[in-house]
Amino acid sequence: DIQMTQSPSSLSASVGDRVTITCRASQGISNSLAWYQQKPGKAPKLLLYAASRLESGVPSRFSGSGSGTDYTLTISSLQPEDFATYYCQQYYSTPPTFGQGTKVEIK
Amino acid sequence: EVQLVESGGGLVKPGGSLRLSCAASGFTFSSYSMNWVRQAPGKGLEWVSSISSSSSYIYYADSVKGRFTISRDNAKNSLYLQMNSLRAEDTAVYYCARDGSSSSWSGYFDLWGRGTLVTVSS
Repeated sequence: DIQMTQSPSSLSASVGDRVTITCRASQGISNSLAWYQQKPGKAPKLLLYAASRLESGVPSRFSGSGSGTDYTLTISSLQPEDFATYYCQQYYSTPPTFGQGTKVEIK
Repeated sequence: EVQLVESGGGLVKPGGSLRLSCAASGFTFSSYSMNWVRQAPGKGLEWVSSISSSSSYIYYADSVKGRFTISRDNAKNSLYLQMNSLRAEDTAVYYCARDGSSSSWSGYFDLWGRGTLVTVSS
């Protein structure tokens, strides 16, 4: 199985900050990477797929980049509704696997 | 409205069985591969099982293989998960999730239900 490691596990940031979350795969995944946002008590929501493709309806302040084993989710200007937990997921091979999550908290 | 609605969760004793259902609406259910993903209390996301649009291809996580069975009824726009020999470690919110592509198997999940809680405890 491909292991996905996110960093940091949590971070504190202020509204307007630029936030970056990284995700490292245990082997190359050829941009087969998705990012999800999950708020407490809610289902995850797809933000990006294919490493950098924005899902319809997702604000453009969210962006993704990377290649090979290393990928990044960036929020260009953090908004109050962005405080949540973020997960990466590889779908290069079965089983699909998730990172452990990054909790973005209010500073 | 495009949505997935899970049902069937509850409290069950170790070794017991439960059948989860997921009702789909607002999209052509028969065109999409479907999935179950679970989340233990306070933990991260874990993929459980996937089924292709015509049920030709089925996959399971090693942790549930031989105990869980995924199925679907395209005429009823419904997805199912039969869970047998349940263990305490199966306690989780179980989400039904749609594959991201209607034309092939993408592997990511673009539509999720609200989830149904399964608690395995004596």
